[in-house]
Amino acid sequence: AQKVTQAQTEISVVEKEDVTLDCVYETRDTTYYLFWYKQPPSGELVFLIRRNSFDEQNEISGRYSWNFQKSTSSFNFTITASQVVDSAVYFCALSGTYGGSQGNLIFGKGTKLSVKP
Amino acid sequence: DGGITQSPKYLFRKEGQNVTLSCEQNLNHDAMYWYRQDPGQGLRLIYYSQIVNDFQKGDIAEGYSVSREKKESFPLTVTSAQKNPTAFYLCASSIRGTRGSNEKLLFGSGTQLSVL
Repeated sequence: AQKVTQAQTEISVVEKEDVTLDCVYETRDTTYYLFWYKQPPSGELVFLIRRNSFDEQNEISGRYSWNFQKSTSSFNFTITASQVVDSAVYFCALSGTYGGSQGNLIFGKGTKLSVKP
Repeated sequence: DGGITQSPKYLFRKEGQNVTLSCEQNLNHDAMYWYRQDPGQGLRLIYYSQIVNDFQKGDIAEGYSVSREKKESFPLTVTSAQKNPTAFYLCASSIRGTRGSNEKLLFGSGTQLSVL
């Protein structure tokens, strides 16, 4: 079965601290895709990144970086020098051919990040 | 500007009443989705539609119904059979929505449904 686990329910940091959000996944697909979405207080989910299972290269986008490790089935997200505007709920998601949701996205339960000034 | 519009933002349902949540997109996307979000939970798929006049049940379809008569519209009805309807409902769309898709979803701003 497919599953996404975000073990950290809530994280609180002070502005300018670095913070890593963990994501561990399970799938029997050989080809799959991993995503991160941000949900600010307004409620709308915002797409951050998509990664396919064949590309283990880490990615950096400004203060955001992602570490994909197939060996540990993890796709962790790091925010460097956090800012108050980073406060949101962050979701990791998985899509593939098998498992639940008929191949559609399966979401983790989310990590609520609070960045205090 | 292209996007997804959900209305209303807040909705209240009386016991035994059916209510309909609206979702409209002007992105010319083929696929549309409805998700339910409960506090502290991830998003769970209710229904999805890959083309007009066709839709499929998701993981938690019981007590819900949908229609897809137009490409841009995918309304969700929460029926009286849904015994625990209080939740945040999110509509999304993607360009094609094929199985095991790598496509990103674009989301609306959601509707908070509460029971009176």
